[in-house]
Amino acid sequence: DAGVIQSPRHEVTEMGQEVTLRCKPISGHNSLFWYRQTMMRGLELLIYFNNNVPIDDSGMPEDRFSAKMPNASFSTLKIQPSEPRDSAVYFCASSLARTGEQYFGPGTRLTVT
Amino acid sequence: DAKTTQPPSMDCAEGRAANLPCNHSTISGNEYVYWYRQIHSQGPQYIIHGLKNNETNEMASLIITEDRKSSTLILPHATLRDTAVYYCIVRVWGNSGGSNYKLTFGKGTLLTVNP
Repeated sequence: DAGVIQSPRHEVTEMGQEVTLRCKPISGHNSLFWYRQTMMRGLELLIYFNNNVPIDDSGMPEDRFSAKMPNASFSTLKIQPSEPRDSAVYFCASSLARTGEQYFGPGTRLTVT
Repeated sequence: DAKTTQPPSMDCAEGRAANLPCNHSTISGNEYVYWYRQIHSQGPQYIIHGLKNNETNEMASLIITEDRKSSTLILPHATLRDTAVYYCIVRVWGNSGGSNYKLTFGKGTLLTVNP
C-alpha cells in the first residue's frame, strides 16, 4: 500500500490567495483526519471525517477554513483567503474506525507570505 | 483522555536498547496506551499500543506496569534512524464512540541515538 498521499508537499502563496490541500487516504480506511502542526501549538486536530461525513470540525480555526470529503478516497482542506499565520505543516491521517490507529501522510508545508 | 508525562529528551547509543518511560497515573480502565513517533520533517508514525499486557511487534515492545499507571517503550537495538520525538498517548480503543477518535499529542520525548 502506498500509504496516505498528500499533495502538494510544499506550497508557497501570497496572503489573500486561496490554498487547496489534497489527501488520499489508505484504501479501506473509513476515518480521515486533518491536523496542523506549528512550533508554537504543536499538533492540532482540525477536523475528523467518518465514512465521508464530518463528525467534528471544532478544531477548524475560523470560517476561512473548510474541508470536504466527496468520496472515500479523496479529501480537501481549503483556506480562503490565506493569511501568514496559516503557515504550518498540514497532515492528513486515516484509520479504520474500529481500531483507531492513525496513519499519517508526509504533510504539506504551507508558507503564506 | 488521561494525560501523560514524558521526559523531554533522552540519549541512547547506537545498537543499545532505548527505554522510553511514560507516566499515565490517571488512566481509565478502558483506555489504551498508544505510542507514536515523529521523525524530523515527517508525519507521525504509529508504533504500538496496549491495554494491560506487554506487547511486541516488529518495531518495539511495550511494557505496561500491573497498576497501568506507567509504561515503557523499548526499542531493542536503536539505530540512528530511530532519532525522533516519541509520543505516549492514552485513549479509548477505536473511533466509534464519543470523542475517542482524538489523539492528543503532548510534547513527547526527543530521543537522540548517537553513533
